[in-house]
Amino acid sequence: DQQVKQNSPSLSVQEGRISILNCDYTNSMFDYFLWYKKYPAEGPTFLISISSIKDKNEDGRFTVFLNKSAKHLSLHIVPSQPGDSAVYFCAASAGGAQKLVFGQGTRLTINP
Amino acid sequence: EPEVTQTPSHQVTQMGQEVILRCVPISNHLYFYWYRQILGQKVEFLVSFYNNEISEKSEIFDDQFSVERPDGSNFTLKIRSTKLEDSAMYFCASSSQAHSGNTIYFGEGSWLTVV
Repeated sequence: DQQVKQNSPSLSVQEGRISILNCDYTNSMFDYFLWYKKYPAEGPTFLISISSIKDKNEDGRFTVFLNKSAKHLSLHIVPSQPGDSAVYFCAASAGGAQKLVFGQGTRLTINP
Repeated sequence: EPEVTQTPSHQVTQMGQEVILRCVPISNHLYFYWYRQILGQKVEFLVSFYNNEISEKSEIFDDQFSVERPDGSNFTLKIRSTKLEDSAMYFCASSSQAHSGNTIYFGEGSWLTVV
């Protein structure tokens, strides 16, 4: 089941620069997308979300962009901080369904 | 800030034994979930629960698994006869509503090791 894919297992970014994490999906029924951040041995922590009726949502340093025609979304973190080092998961849900479908995650490392 | 709490944080059990993982969802939430993550793999949906019954379950959630809300605050996942492949981090989650656009909040997880 590869409905949600994060093709980059890891990403390394210098502190202060922009981090861009990418996510692709195949199920055109997905209408809500979320990004979660996860530290080792902890649960996923909600970061930001976007509905399919929008193409951008911003919250502080975090912005999520949605390109429905390409079935692609991205998370931008500006500026990147050392505390942002974690695994980031993209997740999606469809038509009121209660379950989230997760991507494999991208490990982000912010270098000082 | 309200949070989902889970116990135990780590449990080691012998194959074939029953395990109960416990969760206290956020107090005003009505929808409850269990997810799991096998080491190195994706977070996977197991089951959702609303109004004292299962509303959706995945293929993983077979007859070995059951959920209940025994006392109005706790939400439990029972694995009747554990197998080695049940070793995973199990996450409880809750949300205030079920429709798309509603955020699901996760607990810190219970790490189950089956030996």
